[in-house]
Order: sequence, then structure tokens, then C-alpha cells
Amino acid sequence: GAVVSQHPSWVICKSGTSVKIECRSLDFQATTMFWYRQFPKQSLMLMATSNEGSKATYEQGVEKDKFLINHASLTLSTLTVTSAHPEDSSFYICSARYDRGNQPQHFGDGTRLSIL
Amino acid sequence: GEDVEQSLFLSVREGDSSVINCTYTDSSSTYLYWYKQEPGAGLQLLTYIFSNMDMKQDQRLTVLLNKKDKHLSLRIADTQTGDSAIYFCAENMGGGNKLTFGTGTQLKVEL
Repeated sequence: GAVVSQHPSWVICKSGTSVKIECRSLDFQATTMFWYRQFPKQSLMLMATSNEGSKATYEQGVEKDKFLINHASLTLSTLTVTSAHPEDSSFYICSARYDRGNQPQHFGDGTRLSIL
Repeated sequence: GEDVEQSLFLSVREGDSSVINCTYTDSSSTYLYWYKQEPGAGLQLLTYIFSNMDMKQDQRLTVLLNKKDKHLSLRIADTQTGDSAIYFCAENMGGGNKLTFGTGTQLKVEL
């Protein structure tokens, strides 16, 4: 159980393009979803926390107009990288959690974004 | 410091035990986690421990927690080549929703 699907797994696009990444909880309701960014050989950096039906909470230094997060349902959150540039190239990973009891975060398989 | 610290690299022979260590920062963290990341993939939850426990065992995995020293370890018994990956510890600082991850330990299992 507790499967999180992330799509697409790899995106290559031109500078200036907006890219949408989807994160779905397949077999549970995710009251909270998280978006992380990971640079090569580094740890995960939390970008934002989103709760279903409300605005995302962004970490310090993360531009909310650049990284648009929508958590429209209990099973889907999307991250849109707007007008992406080469410096946005990274590995983006989502996680989902059911906020009852002491449920851990379950992670998707990540999306590798390469901006040319 | 602020960082959750781990050794960068560990190499073991197949069949031996591996011990991955983590020093965390926040004594009010209520849960501590171990995640595994294989190349190009997301994170797989391996196990987690409640902060009032000293030890948790789950098949080949043993987690030890020393709350006084804020030290967490993961022991993998009978390490296999499929265990080669990066291992991250994480804490939920302040007992909240958000996780703070360690720097990651790359485990290499040699034949």
C-alpha cells in the first residue's frame, strides 16, 4: 500500500517553457503533499507543503510565482515550473501523507527536469 | 550545527552487516526515519522509530536510537548487492509535518 505516482519521470524542454509535474496518491487520500528539489549528490530540499483545497506554504527562498502548486483533490497535486530556465534543471520529488495518526511521508519516483 | 549529519560513504562486503549512522539536531522530533534512494529514483521508506523507543527491528533492519546523544543508526544484516543505494535519515523537527533530511550515505556492497 501507500503508493505515490509521479509523472512524467523525465522532461527535456527549451528555455522559457512551462512544465507541469503531477503527483498522485494511488491507494490513499493525501491530505498533505510535499514538493522537494534534489541537486546531484545532495540531499532533498523542501520547496513547499500543500494541503488539499488551500494555498501551498512555500519555504524561504522558493519563488511561489515560479513554482506554482495546486492541490485540487485528495489524490492529486501538481507543480508547474513556469518559464523554466537552465538553472531550474533538477530532480523534483513529491511525497504524500495522510494526516491521521503518525503516518509517514511516501515518495514518488521523481521527475528529472532538463532545460536546454 | 543545523544539519542532520551522516557519513558520506560506506563500503561493505556482501554478507557482512552495514551500520549507517546519523546525528540529528532537534530533541523535540517525535519520529525519525530511514529512507533508501536508488539511482534516478525517489525515496523508499525503510523504517521509522518513535522517539520514546530505543530500538526497532524489522527483518534485516535494526534501528537504534540514542536520544541523549541525538544519534540514530541503521543496521542492515546480511547486506546484499541490492542494498547498494543512498540512505537518508530524516527527523520531523518540532514533531510537525515537515521532514529534515540528512546529508545521505552512499552504501556500496562489494562481492
